[in-house]
Amino acid sequence: DAKTTQPPSMDCAEGRAANLPCNHSTISGNEYVYWYRQIHSQGPQYIIHGLKNNETNEMASLIITEDRKSSTLILPHATLRDTAVYYCIVRGYNTDKLIFGTGTRLQVFP
Amino acid sequence: EAGVVQSPRYKIIEKKQPVAFWCNPISGHNTLYWYLQNLGQGPELLIRYENEEAVDDSQLPKDRFSAERLKGVDSTLKIQPAELGDSAVYLCASSSPLGLADTGELFFGEGSRLTVL
Repeated sequence: DAKTTQPPSMDCAEGRAANLPCNHSTISGNEYVYWYRQIHSQGPQYIIHGLKNNETNEMASLIITEDRKSSTLILPHATLRDTAVYYCIVRGYNTDKLIFGTGTRLQVFP
Repeated sequence: EAGVVQSPRYKIIEKKQPVAFWCNPISGHNTLYWYLQNLGQGPELLIRYENEEAVDDSQLPKDRFSAERLKGVDSTLKIQPAELGDSAVYLCASSSPLGLADTGELFFGEGSRLTVL
């Protein structure tokens, strides 16, 4: 599975959009990009995933570049409850294994 | 719908003592995972079950760690004897019968935090 690179930490003002980048330059054509987040003292929670096209759900939007070498998770209106560690993961098509990195610690401030 | 249930939430033991963690996955989920999470790190896979079969245990330290899922539902992770370096959060997760190809989602429990003194 391809390796991902994320900034260790980011800040965002409450009500503003939080844009979390992820680099996955070695991704191959059949690998998916997943985003999970982990709020303090809880287990990780699935947010969204995609292959080539941009995706949106009730939690967030996922923007994948055309060359698929990077992606951005967008929380359109961040709230204090969005403070968490966000993990970007690349998963191979034929595996049920998710390999977590160290993620980005997002701090939303009032 | 009940989520993944783990117990105990917290456990403090002295080194060389045994410890066991229990996990009840979401009903109907045949794939079960145990992850280890050290402070400040992402979760690391220890073992993955498909029903009662361990299909990936390559990262499980078999000298002191063991796991079982006898009836393909609940699972237990055991450490015997525990060492200081085993202090961590042990996370259990499950996924639907179609695995990640279905919803792409793993459902995690809240974890069991182990402190070894």
